[in-house]
Amino acid sequence: GQSLEQPSEVTAVEGAIVQINCTYQTSGFYGLSWYQQHDGGAPTFLSYNGLDGLEETGRFSSFLSRSDSYGYLLLQELQMKDSASYFCALDPGNTPLVFGKGTRLSVIA
Amino acid sequence: DGGITQSPKYLFRKEGQNVTLSCEQNLNHDAMYWYRQDPGQGLRLIYYSQIVNDFQKGDIAEGYSVSREKKESFPLTVTSAQKNPTAFYLCASSITPTGYDTGELFFGEGSRLTVL
Repeated sequence: GQSLEQPSEVTAVEGAIVQINCTYQTSGFYGLSWYQQHDGGAPTFLSYNGLDGLEETGRFSSFLSRSDSYGYLLLQELQMKDSASYFCALDPGNTPLVFGKGTRLSVIA
Repeated sequence: DGGITQSPKYLFRKEGQNVTLSCEQNLNHDAMYWYRQDPGQGLRLIYYSQIVNDFQKGDIAEGYSVSREKKESFPLTVTSAQKNPTAFYLCASSITPTGYDTGELFFGEGSRLTVL
């Protein structure tokens, strides 16, 4: 099976940079995704890493290292609206995504 | 506008009652999913369907049932056999079954079920 570990909570200051880590255990997978979810809302797709390395999308970047079984989401120039929960998810390839338990990010002034 | 519509948004039911949550998509996606979300538990897969008239159990299927008679629709029934049904239920879809693209799921706004 697959399992993912993320910190449950992270707090960061507005305008700063924050990194949310995700470690995983799996026998094989196609890629690692990240989703954002505001309280009471629907998760929305942020990024996908199919290969090792860094993927950049505006203020958000995501990184994957298969050799270290590790990925992270990097949020730059934090804004109050970035306060949300962030989930990493493994794509096993032949079955649906497996989600981590999520990291609640609080952005403070 | 294309998207996924879940209804009802809020639902209350008494113990022992079955309840059906609706999920409709107009994205022409082949695959559809139901996830359950509890505080601090992330998203757990209940059922998924990769094609019409076919579906598979996820990690926590006990006490739930689904059907996929049309490509656009994937309703979830929470039966009285589900011992702890109070939760936030999320329906999602993807263009193809995961593993063939970026794995992007499109989610509905969710249905919050409370058992009284």
